[in-house]
Amino acid sequence: QSVLTQPPSVSGAPGQRVTISCTGSSSNIGADYDVHWYQQLPGTAPKFLISGNNNRPSGVPDRFSGSKSGTSASLAITGLQAEDEADYYCQSYDSGLSHYVFGTGTRVTVL
Amino acid sequence: QVQLVQSGAEVKKPGSSVKVSCKASGGTFSSYATNWVRQAPGQGLEWMGGIIPILSITNYAQKFQGRVTITADESTATAYMELSNLRSEDTAVYYCAREGGSQGLFDFWGQGTLVTVSA
Repeated sequence: QSVLTQPPSVSGAPGQRVTISCTGSSSNIGADYDVHWYQQLPGTAPKFLISGNNNRPSGVPDRFSGSKSGTSASLAITGLQAEDEADYYCQSYDSGLSHYVFGTGTRVTVL
Repeated sequence: QVQLVQSGAEVKKPGSSVKVSCKASGGTFSSYATNWVRQAPGQGLEWMGGIIPILSITNYAQKFQGRVTITADESTATAYMELSNLRSEDTAVYYCAREGGSQGLFDFWGQGTLVTVSA
């Protein structure tokens, strides 16, 4: 049972904006630990998408952005494209468990 | 560019052990933690544990305590994850990931190793 909860799926038409929430608690996101985001394309390993301070590795377009407030974080994708179809995971640290935790994962579908 | 190359797929019997390797290149292996994350079929990501080679410090998820051992060989820039007393629920793809940059950021990942546990 993951301590970070994400919606199982979100969808949008090409060009639209979608957001993915990541809900935690006072022992992880609410404790001001960084929240990072990863993208996993079908059949491949996860890859770093956005760091907690909103840094993106080279090659990741600025259509992807992250934010955090209270015990939740969000990933926004603007100008949705077919290539964005993937699973997305948030990740943080939990002080109660004393280890890293991942979100439940969200599948993004481009209609 | 950092690259993490993992060992090949394994098929194991219940009760046995498996050891997966992760060889790093293109970066400073010893100074960064290497973590292990697994993904059961159709499921999400699950952190198992990690090691900081230069300090020989390990940290394991409580769920795997006593069954998992993570080690590192600085001379070959290779990290290892050994999981013992395998059961069918351990069937998964196992990934290594470098922890670089800010707090807990896994910036580079291996390609994954499928471990199948079957009688």
